[in-house]
Amino acid sequence: DTGVSQDPRHKITKRGQNVTFRCDPISEHNRLYWYRQTLGQGPEFLTYFQNEAQLEKSRLLSDRFSAERPKGSFSTLEIQRTEQGDSAMYLCASSPRGSGPYEQYFGPGTRLTVT
Amino acid sequence: RKEVEQDPGPFNVPEGATVAFNCTYSNSASQSFFWYRQDCRKEPKLLMSVYSSGNEDGRFTAQLNRASQYISLLIRDSKLSDSATYLCVVNSPGTASKLTFGTGTRLQVTL
Repeated sequence: DTGVSQDPRHKITKRGQNVTFRCDPISEHNRLYWYRQTLGQGPEFLTYFQNEAQLEKSRLLSDRFSAERPKGSFSTLEIQRTEQGDSAMYLCASSPRGSGPYEQYFGPGTRLTVT
Repeated sequence: RKEVEQDPGPFNVPEGATVAFNCTYSNSASQSFFWYRQDCRKEPKLLMSVYSSGNEDGRFTAQLNRASQYISLLIRDSKLSDSATYLCVVNSPGTASKLTFGTGTRLQVTL
């Protein structure tokens, strides 16, 4: 399968714990995005990488959230001191190199439940 | 006002019907437009890009009206398998390809 992959697919954690999610984009795509989706809403943008550089962060991304893409390939999203409001589907997407906006291809998501 | 607005539905239609979804966006400088489809508890999948001249892909037709800041999706001859949530998506200018999603319109096609 050459699509975007995410791990884990599901995560249940207790409030206050730290969690880390991984995303592996489509191999030839240099752009990587993280989104969050809650029930009944469309995905909301969190952050964007071009290669290893984090070029944009949403104000939704509080200080408890951090994302990395150290070698310009896979990315991780860490949430520290989780809160119940962090419960959501965390989606990763990638798009190919080049100028202009391109369609983004999404991974299956990591569903986080904070108890 | 939300950046991208859609009627959440649900739209319940019989198999074979034609159904149309509409979407409006607030930023007149938006550059690219898409329809994504999302099945229950699955990731969004690109259905089609929307071009100024309008475009068609089989039973699906998308239209863009930049003057009215309005996007539409028409589905002809609905199939049971078309049941899903349809997300209207807009690229925000000057933000390195960030996509802004509507809340989605739910379609249920019945026998």
